[in-house]
Amino acid sequence: EDKVVQSPLSLVVHEGDTVTLNCSYEVTNFRSLLWYKQEKKAPTFLFMLTSSGIEKKSGRLSSILDKKELFSILNITATQTGDSAIYLCAVAQGGSEKLVFGKGTKLTVNP
Amino acid sequence: NAGVTQTPKFRILKIGQSMTLQCTQDMNHNYMYWYRQDPGMGLKLIYYSVGAGITDKGEVPNGYNVSRSTTEDFPLRLELAAPSQTSVYFCASSYSLAGGPYEQYFGPGTRLTVT
Repeated sequence: EDKVVQSPLSLVVHEGDTVTLNCSYEVTNFRSLLWYKQEKKAPTFLFMLTSSGIEKKSGRLSSILDKKELFSILNITATQTGDSAIYLCAVAQGGSEKLVFGKGTKLTVNP
Repeated sequence: NAGVTQTPKFRILKIGQSMTLQCTQDMNHNYMYWYRQDPGMGLKLIYYSVGAGITDKGEVPNGYNVSRSTTEDFPLRLELAAPSQTSVYFCASSYSLAGGPYEQYFGPGTRLTVT
């Protein structure tokens, strides 16, 4: 069965801390891995990774994929209260129109 | 572009009632999806469509129906509401090039309570 596992399920940090969120996967015919941020409403797209070892960055957020070990990490440096959200990891499979989502990591950043 | 829009935002149903959740996208995406999200459970795929006239079941289709008569619209129908259908429902769409669909764009969600 295809599965995506995120860890930790929840995390509480203080402003300014650096956090690392993990996503491991076991899927057939892997094509790409996507990260989403979900605040109060709809998930919003952050990154899509298809190649191993290439880091994607957007401001304080960065992500990297390891296709050999079947995982990805999402790093957030100098966290702010506005980073508080659920972070979702999803995997796209070749030949499939669907994404397989993990359960998400709930990040709380306290002032 | 409005992106993906959903109506209503909130709804309370009594057990056994029916309703339709509306979803419209103006990005000319061919792929559309319906998910439900329960607390702590991530997103579960209910139904999806790869184009007008084509729909298929996802992970949790029981109790729901869909249709896709146009590229823009993908309504989700609940025929006999049950308390287990209390959830937040998200519609999403994506474009597709060779190799499959790309990132999905989500609507704002509909919070449904069945009592």
